[in-house]
Amino acid sequence: NAGVTQTPKFRVLKTGQSMTLLCAQDMNHEYMYWYRQDPGMGLRLIHYSVGEGTTAKGEVPDGYNVSRLKKQNFLLGLESAAPSQTSVYFCASSYRPGISAETQYFGPGTRLLVL
Amino acid sequence: TQLLEQSPQFLSIQEGENLTVYCNSSSVFSSLQWYRQEPGEGPVLLVTVVTGGEVKKLKRLTFQFGDARKDSSLHITAAQPGDTGLYLCAGSSGGSYIPTFGRGTSLIVHP
Repeated sequence: NAGVTQTPKFRVLKTGQSMTLLCAQDMNHEYMYWYRQDPGMGLRLIHYSVGEGTTAKGEVPDGYNVSRLKKQNFLLGLESAAPSQTSVYFCASSYRPGISAETQYFGPGTRLLVL
Repeated sequence: TQLLEQSPQFLSIQEGENLTVYCNSSSVFSSLQWYRQEPGEGPVLLVTVVTGGEVKKLKRLTFQFGDARKDSSLHITAAQPGDTGLYLCAGSSGGSYIPTFGRGTSLIVHP
């Protein structure tokens, strides 16, 4: 199993450009998440999905959109990139939670620089 | 929004020393997790604690969940350079299984 994969690994954008980050998981997980990580800020949740065809806003959703058309894929879109979106983006997935939160499996991250 | 405060933010120690990292909140959590993140990689789960007062051990790492389920600690005995990384706590509460992450403790262990 590849686990959670993310593409691309690194990208440089100019202000105003758009791009899509792709996350794929092969563990048949129900839940998928997109986080951004900035120095000293830990992980902040952007959007998440509790199943195919569903999405929900997290802590910092502005400027981002997501789609979960297939259970194994979760796409993060930036319609008009801004320098404030320079960050490292992590995708994660987990099985359907039961009594407590399930283990989240993280991808290797996408480093995005917006000039 | 649940807030998880981690302390210290940074820790630089010599190999062989002991250390404790704290994760505190005013909220009650149904479960709390500790992750370790190495440079250039995604976080990896170390442990999940769910019962107040629970203590779990993972080799030289000891995790404790507070009796009131509002705080947790991670103690490392005889730290080694391989323990270097960012330690993150994450808690979930109520009916939400979406965890909130703390800002992390960056640990460097010098040989």
